[in-house]
Amino acid sequence: GAGVSQSPRYKVAKRGQDVALRCDPISGHVSLFWYQQALGQGPEFLTYFQNEAQLDKSGLPSDRFFAERPEGSVSTLKIQRTQQEDSAVYLCASSSRWDTGELFFGEGSRLTVL
Amino acid sequence: GNSVTQMEGPVTLSEEAFLTINCTYTATGYPSLFWYVQYPGEGLQLLLKATKADDKGSNKGFEATYRKETTSFHLEKGSVQVSDSAVYFCALSRSGTALIFGKGTTLSVSS
Repeated sequence: GAGVSQSPRYKVAKRGQDVALRCDPISGHVSLFWYQQALGQGPEFLTYFQNEAQLDKSGLPSDRFFAERPEGSVSTLKIQRTQQEDSAVYLCASSSRWDTGELFFGEGSRLTVL
Repeated sequence: GNSVTQMEGPVTLSEEAFLTINCTYTATGYPSLFWYVQYPGEGLQLLLKATKADDKGSNKGFEATYRKETTSFHLEKGSVQVSDSAVYFCALSRSGTALIFGKGTTLSVSS
């Protein structure tokens, strides 16, 4: 597609459930980023891939968060045993380069944990 | 550590008013600076950027100048339109690191 696509756009989970959020980056973009955006806050970095390699996962808040990009294109962010504090919008962004700061963002997946 | 501080919003203006949204940063070395914008119902998109001191980024009538001496990157527009209503994020990046964003400033322009 023309832009970064994320699914689902909205997800409601009961506390303790596992969720998976998908990101389809712009074709050919080697860099892929995940951010978490709490209500009224700016995006907070979670993790970064260059092709299939996860080069930085320093922002993942706990070991319940896991991300993968096995073939260097589509990425999945998985959250295990969700908790209420995980409620946020999860943003995916891609870029043709890793070092310019010029990212193309998807519209995000809004997760609500009840 | 590296961080970005933006003025608190919301900012409410009438059409054709002058806009300033303040942004200051803390960083080691020489970061690149950005303004991203999020229009209602859309994803974040890059508005403008500057990569070194005294550079001026500009786009769609908006501009911002990288001021190293004051560690600032204030966003300005001479005459805002209703269509400029959005959330604006200041951000920085050091080479090889991910973007660090401010908390965002909501701009509401009325006709």
